[in-house]
Amino acid sequence: DAKTTQPPSMDCAEGRAANLPCNHSTISGNEYVYWYRQIHSQGPQYIIHGLKNNETNEMASLIITEDRKSSTLILPHATLRDTAVYYCMPISSGSARQLTFGSGTQLTVLP
Amino acid sequence: GAVVSQHPSWVICKSGTSVKIECRSLDFQATTMFWYRQFPKQSLMLMATSNEGSKATYEQGVEKDKFLINHASLTLSTLTVTSAHPEDSSFYICSARRLAGANEQFFGPGTRLTVL
Repeated sequence: DAKTTQPPSMDCAEGRAANLPCNHSTISGNEYVYWYRQIHSQGPQYIIHGLKNNETNEMASLIITEDRKSSTLILPHATLRDTAVYYCMPISSGSARQLTFGSGTQLTVLP
Repeated sequence: GAVVSQHPSWVICKSGTSVKIECRSLDFQATTMFWYRQFPKQSLMLMATSNEGSKATYEQGVEKDKFLINHASLTLSTLTVTSAHPEDSSFYICSARRLAGANEQFFGPGTRLTVL
């Protein structure tokens, strides 16, 4: 699976959009980009995933660059409950499909 | 839907004893379950992958005789930490994959193990 680079931390004002970048320049053609988050002392929570098209669900939007070497997770109206560590993970469509958690981005939503 | 529970949520035990942690998929059948460990201020580390009815596959460096995994049904996997020592104190998290071929994993709330 491809390696990822994420900023270690970011702050965001409550109510504003939070844009979390992820670099995955070595991603291969059959790897999806998955995003999870982990609120302190809880299990990770699935957010969204995509292959090459932008995706949106009730939690977030995912923007993937045309060359697929980077992506941005967008929380359109961040709340205090969105404070968490956010992980992006390229995952192949092969049979293993294990999740490899990097160091992630600690997002702190400020009141 | 896709709820995963863990029991207990926290446990304190004496060094040398064994501790069993249960992971259940409450509203779906899980063909594959994963066990992770997370030390303070660190990321999750995959310990093992278990498929229902077969032996677990352990990651490099994880002792299979120390961390016993049983996945006897499509809704239950157990992790037993045998002869626990203080260095085994950690946050243990399980996840379940709903269908063969699906990527999404649904995580349990975790179990905090403290070995005195």
